[in-house]
Amino acid sequence: GAVVSQHPSRVICKSGTSVKIECRSLDFQATTMFWYRQFPKQSLMLMATSNEGSKATYEQGVEKDKFLINHASLTLSTLTVTSAHPEDSSFYICSAQRAQETQYFGPGTRLLVL
Amino acid sequence: GEDVEQSLFLSVREGDSSVINCTYTDSSSTYLYWYKQEPGAGLQLLTYIFSNMDMKQDQRLTVLLNKKDKHLSLRIADTQTGDSAIYFCADPGGTGGGNKLTFGTGTQLKVEL
Repeated sequence: GAVVSQHPSRVICKSGTSVKIECRSLDFQATTMFWYRQFPKQSLMLMATSNEGSKATYEQGVEKDKFLINHASLTLSTLTVTSAHPEDSSFYICSAQRAQETQYFGPGTRLLVL
Repeated sequence: GEDVEQSLFLSVREGDSSVINCTYTDSSSTYLYWYKQEPGAGLQLLTYIFSNMDMKQDQRLTVLLNKKDKHLSLRIADTQTGDSAIYFCADPGGTGGGNKLTFGTGTQLKVEL
């Protein structure tokens, strides 16, 4: 149990375009989902926390207009990188949590902006 | 804010034991976690320890917790090449199993034949 998927696993896009990444909890309902960003050989940086049906809470320094998060259901959250630029290239990882239990992580999405 | 530190790199020979260390600053943590990340993949929860425990053993994994020194360690017995990965300790702070995990810097474990 507690499987989290992400789609796509890899995406290459042109500068200026928007990219949507999906995070799904496959076998449980996630009251909270988290979005992280990881640079090469670095730790995970929390970008935002989203609760189903409410606005996401962004960490300091993360632009909410740049990284749009929608948590429309208890099994799906999406992260949209708007007007992507090369500096947005990174590994994006989501996690899902049921109540106050452990976070379960998705496999990550590698974004490359050309 | 919370600070979680790890050594960056560890190299061991196959069959030896590996010990990965972690220090943290938030003393209100109810749990502490260890995650494993293989190249290009997400994080896999390896094990966790309650803050009222000193030690937890799970097959080849042993977690030691020294609350006084705020020091956590992960010992992998009989290390195999498949154990090569980055290992992160994570601290949820005073929220128990819940929100805002603070991750350590990660320790890259390299297992040599």
